[in-house]
Amino acid sequence: DARVTQTPRHKVTEMGQEVTMRCQPILGHNTVFWYRQTMMQGLELLAYFRNRAPLDDSGMPKDRFSAEMPDATLATLKIQPSEPRDSAVYFCVEDSANYGYTFGSGTRLTVV
Amino acid sequence: GENVEQHPSTLSVQEGDSAVIKCTYSDSASNYFPWYKQELGKGPQLIIDIRSNVGEKKDQRIAVTLNKTAKHFSLHITETQPEDSAVYFCAARGAGSYQLTFGKGTKLSVIP
Repeated sequence: DARVTQTPRHKVTEMGQEVTMRCQPILGHNTVFWYRQTMMQGLELLAYFRNRAPLDDSGMPKDRFSAEMPDATLATLKIQPSEPRDSAVYFCVEDSANYGYTFGSGTRLTVV
Repeated sequence: GENVEQHPSTLSVQEGDSAVIKCTYSDSASNYFPWYKQELGKGPQLIIDIRSNVGEKKDQRIAVTLNKTAKHFSLHITETQPEDSAVYFCAARGAGSYQLTFGKGTKLSVIP
């Protein structure tokens, strides 16, 4: 059963704190995306990597968000400093030839 | 960039009836159209997809149709069951693009 693993599942933090979300893709050598889901905006693309190389991060607030893929088995999304408006569910998605676009279970972030 | 509109935003049907969700897209060169089902607290899961060289695809009670001329595609669920209750998302991928653009979602409720 193909699965993209995300940690943590839930995160509550105070405004101004750093938040790090992690993703373990199924295969790694494919295209890996970060999407954010909110009630108002739906699913928004933040950034993505292809074969670990960053291709597009135009959807991210550059001053506070950063996305990296230090190796084929790990993708990270960091927010520093976090703000209440960052509260959302963050999904890692991998596109592979065998499984198509596969979503992780998401990280539900609440910034208070 | 691509823009995807999805209707209706909510849909209630009696168990056993059919449900139809419609999406339109803006990029005439888009070539891949998946549909996702999202249950509460989970990431979206792919339920069916269609490519631009096909007009219709069926998988048991689920079917998708594509009209390239009108730039719209639809999800059809027949003989609905309570477990079909969820939020459904359509998406489109532009030609030469890696990312999916999602519709805002349809909350389907199947009433027993």
